[in-house]
Amino acid sequence: DAGITQSPRHKVTETGTPVTLRCHQTENHRYMYWYRQDPGHGLRLIHYSYGVKDTDKGEVSDGYSVSRSKTEDFLLTLESATSSQTSVYFCASVRGGTDTQYFGPGTRLTVL
Amino acid sequence: KQEVTQIPAALSVPEGENLVLNCSFTDSAIYNLQWFRQDPGKGLTSLLLIQSSQREQTSGRLNASLDKSSGRSTLYIAASQPGDSATYLCAVKSNYQLIWGAGTKLIIKP
Repeated sequence: DAGITQSPRHKVTETGTPVTLRCHQTENHRYMYWYRQDPGHGLRLIHYSYGVKDTDKGEVSDGYSVSRSKTEDFLLTLESATSSQTSVYFCASVRGGTDTQYFGPGTRLTVL
Repeated sequence: KQEVTQIPAALSVPEGENLVLNCSFTDSAIYNLQWFRQDPGKGLTSLLLIQSSQREQTSGRLNASLDKSSGRSTLYIAASQPGDSATYLCAVKSNYQLIWGAGTKLIIKP
């Protein structure tokens, strides 16, 4: 399995506070993704990166920003958390030239 | 807009049975289709990836088929075991992004 870690694994925060989730991979994969998973929905793409400092929006990007200053790290920031952002967040990475996605263990975020 | 559907949402079968999970998609212009497994509280694990030019892929007791013209894929699991209990998700690559189904929760009863 690809070495992908996410931190924190669980977080409870209050509405209006900023939150940053971290994804770290040790596989030197070029592409990285942030998804959210909600009951009754499949995974939905928030943002993705195709290289250092190269990012783009996904299907549900409103209220989220990302940064990738190093190949191994992809950060997801909720500038001002809302209750609708309560979800499980997954990070994934893909080696260039392939399509197989490797997932981290997820971060469960609760916004009160 | 591509939409992916998995029916049923949940399935319970006795151990040892062969079973089929279904995935349907609305737009046949896909690049590939992938099947994943998700265990409770854990991330997703890729099981099989079928390119748009392929009809099926096999890995051990798993066989995935793809019929682009009808917008369908099936995941066949042979001789099911309790360890196969998990949620199975399919995803199609369309417009450079993966579009996901909501998954089928599979329970294998000993």
